[in-house]
Amino acid sequence: DTGVSQNPRHKITKRGQNVTFRCDPISEHNRLYWYRQTLGQGPEFLTYFQNEAQLEKSRLLSDRFSAERPKGSFSTLEIQRTEQGDSAMYLCASSLAASGGSYEQYFGPGTRLTVT
Amino acid sequence: AQTVTQSQPEMSVQEAETVTLSCTYDTSESDYYLFWYKQPPSRQMILVIRQEAYKQQNATENRFSVNFQKAAKSFSLKISDSQLGDAAMYFCAYRRLPQGGSEKLVFGKGTKLTVNP
Repeated sequence: DTGVSQNPRHKITKRGQNVTFRCDPISEHNRLYWYRQTLGQGPEFLTYFQNEAQLEKSRLLSDRFSAERPKGSFSTLEIQRTEQGDSAMYLCASSLAASGGSYEQYFGPGTRLTVT
Repeated sequence: AQTVTQSQPEMSVQEAETVTLSCTYDTSESDYYLFWYKQPPSRQMILVIRQEAYKQQNATENRFSVNFQKAAKSFSLKISDSQLGDAAMYFCAYRRLPQGGSEKLVFGKGTKLTVNP
């Protein structure tokens, strides 16, 4: 499978615990995006990387959230001290940013987080 | 900031019939991309169709076509000959042109499409 993969697919955690999600983009893609989707809403942008550099963060990304893409390949999204409001689907997408390219974003299946 | 509005939370259609999903958006930019994404239950989001704002011709992809009205900032999706596999959440999305920025997608809230046999 050469698409975007995310692990785990589901995560249940207790309030106050830390969680980490992983995203593996399509191998040649240099851009990686994180979105959050709550019930009944469309995905909302959280942050994105160009290679290993994190170039933009949404105001939605509070201090409890941190994302990394250490070698410009896979990325991790960590949430510290989880709150019930963090319960959502976390989507990862990747794209190839290149001159003349479409920059089309391909999505992974998401990680569904439930905070109890 | 750009916004995308989908005013139909749910729609239904009979198999083999045609349905149109509505989307309006707001932007001050003159060139941009618009998309329709499909998100089947418990499956990943996939791109259905893309429209470049500088193109006057409406995009088509097999049974899917759009009605792009730039002046009205309207971007509707028509699904012809609906099939059971078309049942999903459909999201309208906006993206700026590649200009050295993030090109993040701005999504509407989605329309849940049910296809009745």
